[in-house]
Amino acid sequence: GIQVEQSPPDLILQEGANSTLRCNFSDSVNNLQWFHQNPWGQLINLFYIPSGTKQNGRLSATTVATERYSLLYISSSQTTDSGVYFCAVPRRSSGSARQLTFGSGTQLTVLP
Amino acid sequence: DTGVSQDPRHKITKRGQNVTFRCDPISEHNRLYWYRQTLGQGPEFLTYFQNEAQLEKSRLLSDRFSAERPKGSFSTLEIQRTEQGDSAMYLCASSLARGSTYEQYFGPGTRLTVT
Repeated sequence: GIQVEQSPPDLILQEGANSTLRCNFSDSVNNLQWFHQNPWGQLINLFYIPSGTKQNGRLSATTVATERYSLLYISSSQTTDSGVYFCAVPRRSSGSARQLTFGSGTQLTVLP
Repeated sequence: DTGVSQDPRHKITKRGQNVTFRCDPISEHNRLYWYRQTLGQGPEFLTYFQNEAQLEKSRLLSDRFSAERPKGSFSTLEIQRTEQGDSAMYLCASSLARGSTYEQYFGPGTRLTVT
């Protein structure tokens, strides 16, 4: 199946700093999702981004499908940005399930 | 749109007991997924429903696990004869297939601890 790798695995920032998280995937995909998992375990949708660039406030994401990677940018980080960030891509199959394959995540800690 | 809900949020059970979890998807979402997440890992796919039909199951879903989605609305996931290795967060997600868009939305999860 498709492999999804995220880097870095851990990231510690001072409040106000910027960061870039990377997601590499081993096969072509027709969609990609970024999630933030908060300390209570809830997965919060950040972006649905098959290709191109999207922005939402201090967060933006870029997916270059032809080169099989996506980047998540966090600017002016805040302590509430802490948590685990996952990217996920659908598994290619002859069926229609489109179940997601997740990377192992980036654990982000923002210090006050 | 009230989001995906799951019940209970936490469950502690003794080894060998049966447990059942419930998921209520976003209304009108015809696709429903179950995932399992262990500590330090990303969620892993367990099974998928389109309406009331269970169309795909992962090899992670042993014969002690069963899932249903009667009438294509809420879903239940039952684990029989629980083992300590079943301790994990069980996540439910739903989506509405629209063209080529399959964005999934997740519930808050049920955290299972088997003692």
